[in-house]
Amino acid sequence: KQEVTQIPAALSVPEGENLVLNCSFTDSAIYNLQWFRQDPGKGLTSLLLIQSSQREQTSGRLNASLDKSSGRSTLYIAASQPGDSATYLCAAPLGGGADGLTFGKGTHLIIQP
Amino acid sequence: GAGVSQSPSNKVTEKGKDVELRCDPISGHTALYWYRQSLGQGLEFLIYFQGNSAPDKSGLPSDRFSAERTGGSVSTLTIQRTQQEDSAVYLCASSHNRGLSGNTIYFGEGSWLTVV
Repeated sequence: KQEVTQIPAALSVPEGENLVLNCSFTDSAIYNLQWFRQDPGKGLTSLLLIQSSQREQTSGRLNASLDKSSGRSTLYIAASQPGDSATYLCAAPLGGGADGLTFGKGTHLIIQP
Repeated sequence: GAGVSQSPSNKVTEKGKDVELRCDPISGHTALYWYRQSLGQGLEFLIYFQGNSAPDKSGLPSDRFSAERTGGSVSTLTIQRTQQEDSAVYLCASSHNRGLSGNTIYFGEGSWLTVV
């Protein structure tokens, strides 16, 4: 059964800094991995979807990488802004023939103005 | 619709009562998921519907939980004889096709359930 771990659990940095959020997964036989953002009291918003054949995906100031062999993905946020404050979740397929995604517990990010 | 719609947005119920949570996916989306998010915990997969195929119920925590999807569109998650540990946010998501193969998954804002 797939397990997803995210480090750090929480992060607080000054505005303008570049930062990296880490995600690791136990079952490397994945065909994609997704990063989501969750604002307090809200649902999840998909940020980036990386197919297993890809090494990275970029959207604006966000860049996500995927290394299946090591079971890791990173989300890089450039020039952070207060509006980036949210919880960032990594998700990988459940595996074992089951449908659905399994999520990490997220990284709670605070960008200080 | 413009997005995944869930109702009610908030529900407080007494222990032992049954509750129904509704999800209206994005029009045309064939895949529909239910997840549960407890306070301070990650998201827990509950059930997955894809078109007219038999649902994947592998995540349902007990036989008190059931879900159906009528006409391939609206879905209802039912919790019977609610317990306090059922208190959580129940999130519904949909995608255009089989989400796992690479389609973006869209989430509703959730139904916040409190069992007292």
